[in-house]
Amino acid sequence: AQSVTQLDSQVPVFEEAPVELRCNYSSSVSVYLFWYVQYPNQGLQLLLKYLSGSTLVKSINGFEAEFNKSQTSFHLRKPSVHISDTAEYFCACHSGSARQLTFGSGTQLTVLP
Amino acid sequence: NAGVTQTPKFQVLKTGQSMTLQCAQDMNHNSMYWYRQDPGMGLRLIYYSASEGTTDKGEVPNGYNVSRLNKREFSLRLESAAPSQTSVYFCASSELASGGTDTQYFGPGTRLTVL
Repeated sequence: AQSVTQLDSQVPVFEEAPVELRCNYSSSVSVYLFWYVQYPNQGLQLLLKYLSGSTLVKSINGFEAEFNKSQTSFHLRKPSVHISDTAEYFCACHSGSARQLTFGSGTQLTVLP
Repeated sequence: NAGVTQTPKFQVLKTGQSMTLQCAQDMNHNSMYWYRQDPGMGLRLIYYSASEGTTDKGEVPNGYNVSRLNKREFSLRLESAAPSQTSVYFCASSELASGGTDTQYFGPGTRLTVL
């Protein structure tokens, strides 16, 4: 069985400050990891994903995440956040044997002016 | 492309009433999914369909039924709604069939309240 833990339910941060949203996973087999973002009253959108290859993956809007197998983590980082980054962020895990995504409980990122 | 569409956007039901949530995708995807989202619990999978003609239970299937009508459409039915089914329901689709690791694309959601 696989599981995903997002350690922080709420992360307030001031504009232009750096941010890290933490995600840890548990799986006995190889995993594929995703970060999704949900803006208010909208569906989820893929932010970035790790399937294989380089352990550092980046999104087009400045976010990046690093797959760390030894620490079973896939933390999301951004060096300087904007007001428009305010949203809920979900980490998700998929293994080939499980056939579906398992989501964490989400982290609400609020960027303050 | 509209992507994944869901109807209705909002619905209020009384306990015991039935309803069907509709989902359609125009991306020619093989797999489709129904999730519910509750505060502090993330998204939990209700049912999924790995390909046309197949459906399987997810984490929380009790109280729900699904129909994969064709490759485009995947509906979720509540036969006798209960207050515990008050939630936001999301439909998603992905290109690969069962066992694949690929991106899921989500619809805008249906906000359901059961009184």
